Amino acid sequence: DIVMTQSRDSLAVSLGERATINCKSSQSILKSSNNRNYLAWYQQKAGQPPKLLIYWASTRESGVPDRFSGSGSETDFTLTISSLQAEDVAVYYCQQHYSIPQTFGQGTKLEIK
Amino acid sequence: EVQLLESGGGLVQPGGSLRLSCAASGFIFSSYAMNWVRQAPGKGLEWVSGIRTSDGTTYYADSVKGRFTISRDNSKNTLYLQMNSLRVEDTAVYYCAKSYNDIWSRTDYWGQGTLVTVSS
Repeated sequence: DIVMTQSRDSLAVSLGERATINCKSSQSILKSSNNRNYLAWYQQKAGQPPKLLIYWASTRESGVPDRFSGSGSETDFTLTISSLQAEDVAVYYCQQHYSIPQTFGQGTKLEIK
Repeated sequence: EVQLLESGGGLVQPGGSLRLSCAASGFIFSSYAMNWVRQAPGKGLEWVSGIRTSDGTTYYADSVKGRFTISRDNSKNTLYLQMNSLRVEDTAVYYCAKSYNDIWSRTDYWGQGTLVTVSS
């Protein structure tokens, strides 16, 4: 199984500042046939199901504010929130869907400093 | 609008069985792979099982293999998860989740979840 590891379990950032969440996979999740990284990011607010934010490592889902961006390739990935808003308080998960079983990072809890 | 509505959760004793259902609407159910993902209280997300649409192939996490069975009824737009030999560690909110297309794709919609509690 591919192990997904997020570098921090929690993170506190001031409003308006940049938040960066890192995720590492135990093997490459870049498929050579289509040059796509099979990596998605989800946001889960308290008491709610997860919500898809980013797919293919860097493509924003429709309706997601442009302050959210994703980057990285092969084994190292980053979710960036350029200017933190109060409504961004949540737990963020990375997920690989390159192979079955799909696996998630342990989650990073983002709070306001 | 895509909607996924889970039902069937509840309290069950260790060793017992439970069947979860997920009623889907707002999309062509038969055209998409579907999944169950669970979240133990205060913990992270764990993919449990998935089912393709093209050939109905099923996949399971090692933690539930041999105990859980995923199935779908495309005529009823419904996904199921039959859970047998339940253990305390199966206690979780179970989410029904739609794949963007095939099983090797992102999960683009989630239901609200149904809570399964395994306890004596």
